Amino acid sequence: DIVMTQSPDSLAVSLGERATISCKSSQSILKSPNNENHLSWYQQKPGQPPKLLIYWTSVRESGVPDRFSGSGSGTEFTLAIDNLQAEDVAVYYCQHEMFGQGTRVEIK
Amino acid sequence: QVQLEQSGAEVKKPGDSVKVSCKASGYSFTSYGFSWVRQAPGQGLEWMGWISANHGRANYPQKFRDRVTMTRDTSTNTVYMELRSLRSDDTAVYYCVRDYSYRRDYWGQGTLVTVSS
Repeated sequence: DIVMTQSPDSLAVSLGERATISCKSSQSILKSPNNENHLSWYQQKPGQPPKLLIYWTSVRESGVPDRFSGSGSGTEFTLAIDNLQAEDVAVYYCQHEMFGQGTRVEIK
Repeated sequence: QVQLEQSGAEVKKPGDSVKVSCKASGYSFTSYGFSWVRQAPGQGLEWMGWISANHGRANYPQKFRDRVTMTRDTSTNTVYMELRSLRSDDTAVYYCVRDYSYRRDYWGQGTLVTVSS
């Protein structure tokens, strides 16, 4: 099983600034022949199921603001949230098959 | 619209089994797979496995391989997750999730399973 590890576990960012979350897999998730990385990101707010933000590393789900972006390849991936808004306070998870442990984003 | 309707909350004793259902509607059932994901109180998300709605082939992580079985019924567009030999640390909300190539886009409302003596 491929293990996903996120960092940091939590971070506090000022409104309007950038939040960056790292996700590392225990082995490469690059799939041939299309060189696709099947890495997704989710946002979860209290009392709600997770919401898909990004899939296949960098494709934004329909309706997700473009301040959310994903990048990476192989074993290292990043979720960036530009111009952080109050409604972005949540826990964020990366996922291949298994999920990372989650990163809590708060307002500084 | 896509909907995943899960069965209701369950209370079980240690050693029991639980079977949670998830009825899908609003799309072509056999064109997607399903993952089951659970979340213990105050904890993160835990993937329990995946099943193809088309072929019925399932894939489980090592942690659950001996205790979980996922099945589907194409006549009713329903998937099932059975977890055996329940323990107190299996207390969690269990979600069925539509899963296409690791893209888990629609989530059921969740089913709370409580394991207590």
